[in-house]
Amino acid sequence: GENVEQHPSTLSVQEGDSAVIKCTYSDSASNYFPWYKQELGKGPQLIIDIRSNVGEKKDQRIAVTLNKTAKHFSLHITETQPEDSAVYFCAAIFLQAGTALIFGKGTTLSVSS
Amino acid sequence: DTGVSQDPRHKITKRGQNVTFRCDPISEHNRLYWYRQTLGQGPEFLTYFQNEAQLEKSRLLSDRFSAERPKGSFSTLEIQRTEQGDSAMYLCASSSTGLGDNEQFFGPGTRLTVL
Repeated sequence: GENVEQHPSTLSVQEGDSAVIKCTYSDSASNYFPWYKQELGKGPQLIIDIRSNVGEKKDQRIAVTLNKTAKHFSLHITETQPEDSAVYFCAAIFLQAGTALIFGKGTTLSVSS
Repeated sequence: DTGVSQDPRHKITKRGQNVTFRCDPISEHNRLYWYRQTLGQGPEFLTYFQNEAQLEKSRLLSDRFSAERPKGSFSTLEIQRTEQGDSAMYLCASSSTGLGDNEQFFGPGTRLTVL
């Protein structure tokens, strides 16, 4: 069935370093891949997304890359700051259930100053 | 604040009781989704509506779960005869068809604790 695998589950970096989170998906029909940031006690916040007709997308310090052939996509955060500390989720659209999202299990990012 | 609101934010109930949660989506959004999130996991899709039509409900966890969106605006999620395993965060999200299609914006969630 549909599945999204996310690695690593935890990531600790020093302020100013880069952080990379990787995801793979199983449904080759998926064509939309968002990333969410979730802080404690809050709902997930959409931070960036990519569609299957694009290989890379960048928004300031955040970038996402997509390899449809290999069915994997990655989130890159450069010049990390303490306020980047949160849980990050990747997701893929599951077309067999309308436009529902299937999420990875999350990566807890800790940025120390 | 995404513009999606949920009420209540917290609910504590005893096993066997019924609970109902409300979600108000972003006003121009015609799609509304319910997800469940347990500790240490990503959100798990339950059901979704386009306007007032419930287009996917096979992923509701059991027949104790039901959802409505009677006028295509707010939605309610009801859990009957709650069990301790129902304890989780229940999230609502909304999106619109058309430009920016598929972008889902989440509310703050309702945290349910079943004693």
